Amino acid sequence: GESVGLHLPTLSVQEGDNSIINCAYSNSASDYFIWYKQESGKGPQFIIDIRSNMDKRQGQRVTVLLNKTVKHLSLQIAATQPGDSAVYFCAEMDSSYKLIFGSGTRLLVRP
Amino acid sequence: GAVVSQHPSRVICKSGTSVKIECRSLDFQATTMFWYRQFPKQSLMLMATSNEGSKATYEQGVEKDKFLINHASLTLSTLTVTSAHPEDSSFYICSGMRGRDGYTFGSGTRLTVV
Repeated sequence: GESVGLHLPTLSVQEGDNSIINCAYSNSASDYFIWYKQESGKGPQFIIDIRSNMDKRQGQRVTVLLNKTVKHLSLQIAATQPGDSAVYFCAEMDSSYKLIFGSGTRLLVRP
Repeated sequence: GAVVSQHPSRVICKSGTSVKIECRSLDFQATTMFWYRQFPKQSLMLMATSNEGSKATYEQGVEKDKFLINHASLTLSTLTVTSAHPEDSSFYICSGMRGRDGYTFGSGTRLTVV
């Protein structure tokens, strides 16, 4: 039969606006989370991380929020720029130190 | 910062042949290296975990005889796709682990099997 490919959800924002990208993780025992940015044809690039004993962490123009109750992560990008256009993945580290990636969100920045 | 050099960046091979992908940690010792596969518009799927000097651990559904992983030194891990077929065409990415919570990714290898 015909296979159906997966499609990444897309978030389109105006340059200069703030972006919020969401992610649900699967393992309540995970204690370390990372957000990655991936540009076309390249490997993932580290953006920011957070441990489970925190609920918020800020970097330069980026903030990660962790809600362990509902197993939810978000990445906030302030003053989004064209160079922020990419696919963003959250990843959780399991007990054997493997990184398990979420499904990803494509961010498009409109000039 | 820590760098993982992955080669080749692109490779085209004929169906039935084997292809080797190398990942080198340039300025740190990667006792553990992870190998991922990524199909278009999809996420990274973990294939296997390799530890220096021991056999790789493969994720469920990944054929260990098809995807041979060697981690002979603390700075080099290789993935060989044996008897490649068009369905093996994908983007392969390695990641070196630096201690408990540091991961550095290679730049990926685009494999096309014709």
